[in-house]
Parts: sequence; C-alpha cells; structure tokens
Amino acid sequence: DAGVIQSPRHEVTEMGQEVTLRCKPISGHDYLFWYRQTMMRGLELLIYFNNNVPIDDSGMPEDRFSAKMPNASFSTLKIQPSEPRDSAVYFCASTDWTGPTNYGYTFGSGTRLTVV
Amino acid sequence: QKEVEQNSGPLSVPEGAIASLNCTYSDRGSQSFFWYRQYSGKSPELIMFIYSNGDKEDGRFTAQLNKASQYVSLLIRDSQPSDSATYLCAVNYAGDGNKLVFGAGTILRVKS
Repeated sequence: DAGVIQSPRHEVTEMGQEVTLRCKPISGHDYLFWYRQTMMRGLELLIYFNNNVPIDDSGMPEDRFSAKMPNASFSTLKIQPSEPRDSAVYFCASTDWTGPTNYGYTFGSGTRLTVV
Repeated sequence: QKEVEQNSGPLSVPEGAIASLNCTYSDRGSQSFFWYRQYSGKSPELIMFIYSNGDKEDGRFTAQLNKASQYVSLLIRDSQPSDSATYLCAVNYAGDGNKLVFGAGTILRVKS
C-alpha cells in the first residue's frame, strides 16, 4: 500500500486566500484524522471521521476551517479565509484499529502551510 | 494541566547507551499507549504501543507502563545515532478511545 497520501506537500498563500488540503487514507481504513502541528502547541486533533462521517470536530479552531470526506478514499480540509496564524504542518492520519503490528494511526507526509 | 506531558529535552546519550524517555498522562481511564518517532521535517512513525495490561519489548525498544503513577516509559537499548529524533508519547482519550492525545515530544540526541 502507498500509505496515507497528502497533497500538496508545501503551500504558500497570501492572507485571505482559500486553502484546500487533500488526503487519501490507506485503503480499508475506516477512521481518518486531521491534525495540526506547531512548535508552540504540538500535535492538535482538528477533526476525525468514521466511515466518512464526521464524529468529532471539537478541535476545529473556528468557522474558517471546514472538512469533508465525500467517500472512503478522499478527504479535504479547507481554510477560508486563511490567516498567518494558520501556518503549520497539517497531517492526515488513518487507521482501522486492527492488526498486531499496526495498531494506531498511520500518518501522511503532511502539508506545510505558510500564510503570508 | 496538560493531558500528556513529556520533558522536551534534549536528552543526550552516548552511542551504545540506554536512552530512557518518559511521559505522564492525566486520564486514569486511558487504556492504550503509543510511542511515535518523528525525524525533523518528517511525519510521526509508530514504533511501539502497549495496552494497560502489560509491558512490551520489541528489539531494542521496551515500553513500560506504571498505571498507579500514570506514566509510560520507552527504553532504547544500544542507542544509535539514527535514533536521534523527537519521540512523541500518545494516549487514547478515555472519553473517546479513537482519539489519541499527543505529548509535545522529547528530543533525543545520540552522540557517536
């Protein structure tokens, strides 16, 4: 399996612009998580889905953030309008909570977002 | 109080020594505990997980749990320069076991 695939790897955008981050989970994984990592706050859970349904979005910072999962193989995280304080690395992770060797999340490579 | 706490380090050990990393957690209902390794500029990679019923050894790595004191440790034997990374402790959130709460991580430096 190719693992969790995120795009783009890097995104530089101007304040006020819309940003869309994309994620393809590992095939068969029915849980998908969006995390944000900064030096100050570490890894923070933003939202997670189970079987394409949002279960907990309590970590989404404000209404400027939205996430969707239209099918089992694709999810997006959108920021509109973007602000400099949104600059961070955004990780997508997936799991099916099975397997003796891979119990836990598998992370994608992340998207480094810079808002100027 | 943070839910998962780790000493940020850096923890410096000589090559071949044992590195000991610790993390404390606040939720007594947590049942699963994870250690992730993150190289600079890379994504977290799962290296160990344990359940509340026991310790675990895998090659040079040993994860230990002390439920009474609410801390988890990771021992790395025969440390190598390639072990130099940030180690993240994660604990499942008892209110929703699918959610992992991460500590801020401990930077480990293994000097040759």
